[in-house]
Amino acid sequence: EPEVTQTPSHQVTQMGQEVILRCVPISNHLYFYWYRQILGQKVEFLVSFYNNEISEKSEIFDDQFSVERPDGSNFTLKIRSTKLEDSAMYFCASTRQGSQETQYFGPGTRLLVL
Amino acid sequence: KNEVEQSPQNLTAQEGEFITINCSYSVGISALHWLQQHPGGGIVSLFMLSSGKKKHGRLIATINIQEKHSSLHITASHPRDSAVYICAVTRFGNEKLTFGTGTRLTIIP
Repeated sequence: EPEVTQTPSHQVTQMGQEVILRCVPISNHLYFYWYRQILGQKVEFLVSFYNNEISEKSEIFDDQFSVERPDGSNFTLKIRSTKLEDSAMYFCASTRQGSQETQYFGPGTRLLVL
Repeated sequence: KNEVEQSPQNLTAQEGEFITINCSYSVGISALHWLQQHPGGGIVSLFMLSSGKKKHGRLIATINIQEKHSSLHITASHPRDSAVYICAVTRFGNEKLTFGTGTRLTIIP
């Protein structure tokens, strides 16, 4: 069964460093999402992406964040200058057609900023 | 106030018991989703529903649109059902999921 994959599974970085989290959505899916979950808290929406552009972003998704689909398969989340509070589990998800569809989640990347 | 509220926050039960987890929401929705988060952190979609009831194996999800309420039931619970169960909603014209805080379920053998 097709699945969403994410790399790396864990990343430790120093405050102020740039990180790139990578996702490979399911191949025929058109809508892509990033969510994050700070330890002990609920999952929060970061950004949605469709047709090579951001369709919606949350207030968390400030200028330090960017997303890109550099080729036909990868979907990346970049954090330019990490802060301690960026430590969280980051999930990528995808759907075939958008709303009213099941979202398929990747296994997550656990980011720790020291 | 959270748009999606779940109860209880934590639930411990004996193997074999019938489990009910509740979700209430305060906004108009296009669909309600039930998801399962395993101890390792991975999230799996269990159900998406916009009306009525769905069943998959021992899991049943119901929704009452008028009352803005949904329930997830597990029959003949088993220790492998131990996980965090999360309710989330999508709104019309908007694909993002808005999540509840989750219910941590522990089934004791």
